[in-house]
Parts: sequence; structure tokens; C-alpha cells
Amino acid sequence: DQQVKQNSPSLSVQEGRISILNCDYTNSMFDYFLWYKKYPAEGPTFLISISSIKDKNEDGRFTVFLNKSAKHLSLHIVPSQPGDSAVYFCAASGSNDYKLSFGAGTTVTVRA
Amino acid sequence: DTAVSQTPKYLVTQMGNDKSIKCEQNLGHDTMYWYKQDSKKFLKIMFSYNNKELIINETVPNRFSPKSPDKAHLNLHINSLELGDSAVYFCASNPSLGTGELFFGEGSRLTVL
Repeated sequence: DQQVKQNSPSLSVQEGRISILNCDYTNSMFDYFLWYKKYPAEGPTFLISISSIKDKNEDGRFTVFLNKSAKHLSLHIVPSQPGDSAVYFCAASGSNDYKLSFGAGTTVTVRA
Repeated sequence: DTAVSQTPKYLVTQMGNDKSIKCEQNLGHDTMYWYKQDSKKFLKIMFSYNNKELIINETVPNRFSPKSPDKAHLNLHINSLELGDSAVYFCASNPSLGTGELFFGEGSRLTVL
């Protein structure tokens, strides 16, 4: 039973525009959320995180928004660059849980 | 200098064989993990070790046996390989148990024929 869901398997966006990636979760005990980025033939690398005490966290071009009542988070990339083309994984964990639950990923393609 | 390294990167073998994947991290982390990425692309945790002690063992067949000789190494041995074991296996580490950010290796693609 997947507790973290990324319902859009792919996203294509023009260079310079905004990329919005969505993630939904079902476990109300989750209180820490992360986004990972993965290039082909490489392992996922940490991008940005947010704890449940916040509703927004920003790091450069990347912003994560958390809506706890809707059990939804999103990642905004502004402006999108060709190097952002990758698979993005949403992940979540709870305070008493030592493991991350991952979504299936969204493949982002930034068109020049 | 690779932080989390796995060997081999690719492994093709026949059903019924036994194989191992090795993982080493030079980050000084206490906790190491094995994740499996199946054909549906989900990353699912298999095992976690903290300071050589098994902490998480997700309903994984007992054909899979992790071994942590020291906190910098976590190896995965698989007996009697089956077709369904074909996947990409990722090793990961983080500073301590419960710290969310994981550092992943490049993955080991196992193909069972």
C-alpha cells in the first residue's frame, strides 16, 4: 500500500517557466517531507525538505509547499533550466519512523 | 571521492544463483540502508542498520541477508535468485537513525535470467 503518491509520471516544461510537481500522502503520522532528484544511472540526491511545522520552505529556485489538511505537498522550480531534467521523488517519514516512504517519481523534461 | 559506493554496478545472473552486492560509505554515518527500486519505479526500504545493529527488516524474503561488518559497510547477499529479484538496489546512509536526509549510492542493477 503506497503511502506517498505522485500521480503525474511525467512533466514537460519550457525553459524559464515554472515546473510544479505534486505529491500526496495518506499517513497522517508523516511529519517530515523531502524531495530527491535523480539523474539516469545515478542515485537520488537530496534537494529540499520541509517539516510539518512549516507550510513553505525555499532554497534558491526550489520551493516546497505543504498543505497538511489536504495531505499534499508540491515542489516549484522557478525558473526551470535544462539541467533540471531528471526524475523527482517525493518522500516522507514520521517522528517515530526510521524509514522514508517514497513516491514513484515524476520525470521532468525541460525544453530549450 | 564517492561518498556512498556500491559494487557491482551491473549484475546479470541465472535463476537459482547466489550473489552479493557491497556498499561502503566514507561519510562517517552511523546508519545504512538498502532500498529496492522495482519495475514500477517505487523505492522501497528493505533493511536498515545502525552501528552494525539491524533496525529495520521490511517483510523481505529470508533469501536476502544483509551483513554489516562495521558501520561503514553494509553488504547484501541474495540466495537462490528469482526472476522477481530483478531490480535496482540502492544503498544509502544518513548521520544517525531518524535523520531524514539520505545519501544514496549509484545503484546496482540486478538482472536475473
